[in-house]
Amino acid sequence: GNSVTQMEGPVTLSEEAFLTINCTYTATGYPSLFWYVQYPGEGLQLLLKATKADDKGSNKGFEATYRKETTSFHLEKGSVQVSDSAVYFCALSVYAGKSTFGDGTTLTVKP
Amino acid sequence: EPEVTQTPSHQVTQMGQEVILRCVPISNHLYFYWYRQILGQKVEFLVSFYNNEISEKSEIFDDQFSVERPDGSNFTLKIRSTKLEDSAMYFCASSAQGPANYGYTFGSGTRLTVV
Repeated sequence: GNSVTQMEGPVTLSEEAFLTINCTYTATGYPSLFWYVQYPGEGLQLLLKATKADDKGSNKGFEATYRKETTSFHLEKGSVQVSDSAVYFCALSVYAGKSTFGDGTTLTVKP
Repeated sequence: EPEVTQTPSHQVTQMGQEVILRCVPISNHLYFYWYRQILGQKVEFLVSFYNNEISEKSEIFDDQFSVERPDGSNFTLKIRSTKLEDSAMYFCASSAQGPANYGYTFGSGTRLTVV
């Protein structure tokens, strides 16, 4: 079956630090890969996506590159802000049915 | 920007009671989903719905659960006889052409508390 493994949290960083949250996957077929973000008390929001190998998704300063050879989709940001504090979910989808989500990584950014 | 709307935002119910969670997906979306999240942990798939029928459901989605799209705009999740372990955040999501192409747009969720 399909699965997503995310780096365990919580992650605590100082403002302007570099962020990496690791994500690896196993899937049958050719998945699309996603990062969703959940701010406190809110639903999940699509942060970025990549639909094929070597694609780079980017949004709001966050980036992730679809690496088929390492089955990875690591999330990075060069300089985090306090407002980036949230839970980040890596997910994959291979067709119109369900998506498979990772366990989520809680990021706290301190001023 | 179009939104997925869920009501109510919070529902408290007694064990054994029926609850209906309501969702209004984005109007031109064709694929509809329910997920749940217990205590801010893993996001669990419940059911997907396309062309007025269930296309896939998880083991969680047993006979106590049902979904309907009664009028072309609302999408509801019914739990017939709630249990304590049904307490969770329930998220509705919709997608224009399937999540593999565009991902989901999620609603802000209904917090269900079973007492």
